[in-house]
Amino acid sequence: GQQLNQSPQSMFIQEGEDVSMNCTSSSIFNTWLWYKQDPGEGPVLLIALYKAGELTSNGRLTAQFGITRKDSFLNISASIPSDVGIYFCAGPGIQGAQKLVFGQGTRLTINP
Amino acid sequence: DTAVSQTPKYLVTQMGNDKSIKCEQNLGHDTMYWYKQDSKKFLKIMFSYNNKELIINETVPNRFSPKSPDKAHLNLHINSLELGDSAVYFCASSQDRRAGENEQFFGPGTRLTVL
Repeated sequence: GQQLNQSPQSMFIQEGEDVSMNCTSSSIFNTWLWYKQDPGEGPVLLIALYKAGELTSNGRLTAQFGITRKDSFLNISASIPSDVGIYFCAGPGIQGAQKLVFGQGTRLTINP
Repeated sequence: DTAVSQTPKYLVTQMGNDKSIKCEQNLGHDTMYWYKQDSKKFLKIMFSYNNKELIINETVPNRFSPKSPDKAHLNLHINSLELGDSAVYFCASSQDRRAGENEQFFGPGTRLTVL
């Protein structure tokens, strides 16, 4: 089945550093969604991408939809402690938009 | 106001019991979902309902039975609970828009522990 591979699986950074993570697939995706999950909470949608090449920002977050439609990246600038959490990429599966396929997540830890 | 809510937040029960998790969304969305998140944080869809009709049913044991009394509610009933059912269960909802656009909004999760 379709799979999304996220890298890195975990990151340990200092507060104030910039962060970059990506998500790749062996098949084409027409939508890329980036979510963040805080401990004990549900995933929260950060950014949605619908066009190849699209670059979208949400505050300190920037995400891009890869030209090949097989990858996407998420950047966080000037990280702060509340950025800690697990970041997931997701996209609609073959069966249609209703079935989202999720990556395995990138766990971000920030040292103050 | 909470957009997608689930009850209970925590559920601890014995093997073999039957339990239910409730979900409600006040976003006016047409589609609701149940996901299971395992101990490695992997999220996998279980069911999807659109306007009270089942549209996605992944390979889930038939001990799991979703019920949608109206499009704002999707409950999950689990019979004969097993140890492997221990996980966090998330409800989500989305509004069907143009093809391929599916921004799903998640509830806070229900942590189920089967002893």
